[in-house]
Amino acid sequence: GAGVSQSPSNKVTEKGKDVELRCDPISGHTALYWYRQRLGQGLEFLIYFQGNSAPDKSGLPSDRFSAERTGESVSTLTIQRTQQEDSAVYLCASSRDLGDEQYFGPGTRLTVT
Amino acid sequence: QKEVEQDPGPLSVPEGAIVSLNCTYSNSAFQYFMWYRQYSRKGPELLMYTYSSGNKEDGRFTAQVDKSSKYISLFIRDSQPSDSATYLCATPMTLNQAGTALIFGKGTTLSVSS
Repeated sequence: GAGVSQSPSNKVTEKGKDVELRCDPISGHTALYWYRQRLGQGLEFLIYFQGNSAPDKSGLPSDRFSAERTGESVSTLTIQRTQQEDSAVYLCASSRDLGDEQYFGPGTRLTVT
Repeated sequence: QKEVEQDPGPLSVPEGAIVSLNCTYSNSAFQYFMWYRQYSRKGPELLMYTYSSGNKEDGRFTAQVDKSSKYISLFIRDSQPSDSATYLCATPMTLNQAGTALIFGKGTTLSVSS
């Protein structure tokens, strides 16, 4: 079946602009995660959605970052007033349920100029 | 100190070599460890996981956990050019609302030459 998809695959934006990144999880997966991978760094957890529960936002680095998820489907990560340090690959993952294997999408490569 | 430390390399070996990839962790409460493989411009994919101490083997890959020294290893036997990728170790962390997310090492970039 289809894996996790993300769009756009690449995004170049000017400092100060807002960006929206989209994630389509595997159908039927109740849990969805966003991670950030900066150059030379490991993946950093950002936010987690489980079913209809309130999301866990404990990894978001600042209030410029927010995310939404519609039911158990698409999620959007929004970064407002982008800064150069936001340049990274943003990866989305989904899992069937809490604690199950996470399947990653290919990521969105964000470059802030 | 980061919770999971990993030497980023790069590591270059000839085809057929035995490769050893390693991570250390700081929290003795961590029980469950994974190795992910990430090809260039792709998302990570789960390669192996282990629970508690000991070895786990899957084909040419062996994962090893030494809890006494908080050390985890991935060995690749008879390495192939197709093994060229970044290898990330990871462990689950409990989130505030009882969910889990993964803590990753920086990843080690491996290049296997033919």
